Amino acid sequence: DVKVTQSSRYLVKRTGEKVFLECVQDMDHENMFWYRQDPGLGLRLIYFSYDVKMKEKGDIPEGYSVSREKKERFSLILESASTNQTSMYLCASRTDSSGNTIYFGEGSWLTVV
Amino acid sequence: AQRVTQPEKLLSVFKGAPVELKCNYSYSGSPELFWYVQYSRQRLQLLLRHISRESIKGFTADLNKGETSFHLKKPFAQEEDSAMYYCALSTSLGGSEKLVFGKGTKLTVNP
Repeated sequence: DVKVTQSSRYLVKRTGEKVFLECVQDMDHENMFWYRQDPGLGLRLIYFSYDVKMKEKGDIPEGYSVSREKKERFSLILESASTNQTSMYLCASRTDSSGNTIYFGEGSWLTVV
Repeated sequence: AQRVTQPEKLLSVFKGAPVELKCNYSYSGSPELFWYVQYSRQRLQLLLRHISRESIKGFTADLNKGETSFHLKKPFAQEEDSAMYYCALSTSLGGSEKLVFGKGTKLTVNP
């Protein structure tokens, strides 16, 4: 079974803090993704990575950055958290083949106060 | 631009009734479409994909290129089908593929 693990399920951070969300997958997948999930807005892609040290902006990259130093790990960074970044963050991974299934982590619920 | 539209935010049916969750897409290329489901307190997971042409948990979805639709159907809804459903379109970006999701439809199946 593919496993995508997000280490922090629930976080509460203060405005202006730097926040790291970590994601690890155990299936040697090339592609990894970060989405945020908001009621009424669905899933919106923040960043994705198709290889180590490679990254591409998604639809809403502002206020976020990412790091992929190792193939299995994809980190989402909020340089200076703001209240409008309170959301559920979903990490996902997929092997680099057309149409293959994307596997999601359980999500990290971030509250910025 | 690539877009996925799910016109219904909420859908409520009674157990045993037919259910149809609508999905329309906009994409200039050859579409690959998926339905993902998220049950309460569980992770988002793949329900079905159009290229498989299979039925999962009694659900089917047919790609209609003329109407640019990929509606999800089940003839007899069950209470355990209550969940959030997302339609997704696979597109190419920067040489790699990404998934574009609709805003989701929350299905409630009442006893």
